[in-house]
Amino acid sequence: DAKTTQPPSMDCAEGRAANLPCNHSTISGNEYVYWYRQIHSQGPQYIIHGLKNNETNEMASLIITEDRKSSTLILPHATLRDTAVYYCLGAGYNFNKFYFGSGTKLNVKP
Amino acid sequence: GAGVSQSPRYKVAKRGQDVALRCDPISGHVSLFWYQQALGQGPEFLTYFQNEAQLDKSGLPSDRFFAERPEGSVSTLKIQRTQQEDSAVYLCASSPNPGTGVSYTFGSGTRLTVV
Repeated sequence: DAKTTQPPSMDCAEGRAANLPCNHSTISGNEYVYWYRQIHSQGPQYIIHGLKNNETNEMASLIITEDRKSSTLILPHATLRDTAVYYCLGAGYNFNKFYFGSGTKLNVKP
Repeated sequence: GAGVSQSPRYKVAKRGQDVALRCDPISGHVSLFWYQQALGQGPEFLTYFQNEAQLDKSGLPSDRFFAERPEGSVSTLKIQRTQQEDSAVYLCASSPNPGTGVSYTFGSGTRLTVV
């Protein structure tokens, strides 16, 4: 499974877009990129995943570079409730485990 | 149920005591995972079940840790002779079927404190 690299922390103003980067240069062609987040004292929450194409759902957008070595999670209008640790994960087709790493602590400020 | 349920929510154990942590996955979910999360760290994989079969237990830190899922639904993580380093949040996750492209649902975890 691909290992990922994320900045340890980021700040974002409430109402603005939060762009969280992730490097996954060792990702292979059949490995998906997943994003989860963890709000204090809760289990990780699924946000979005993708393989090659950009993806969007009601929570976020995922932009994957053409070479698939990096991606960006976009929260279009961050709220205080989006303050959490965000994890970028790589996983192959037959994966049976995630490598979470340390994630990015997103602080949304009023 | 609507989500993954874990019990107890909090557990305090004396060093040397045995503990059992329970996970009720979403009904019908085939895959079940256990993760351990130390304070300030990301979750780390412990073990994986597909139905009742334990397909991967490479993350279990010692032979004091044992997991089972005898009927392919509820799972129990047992820790024998607990040590202080076992203090962590234990997370359970389930998904409807194996393979990628499927999102996993996590429970809120059991916070184990060994004193």
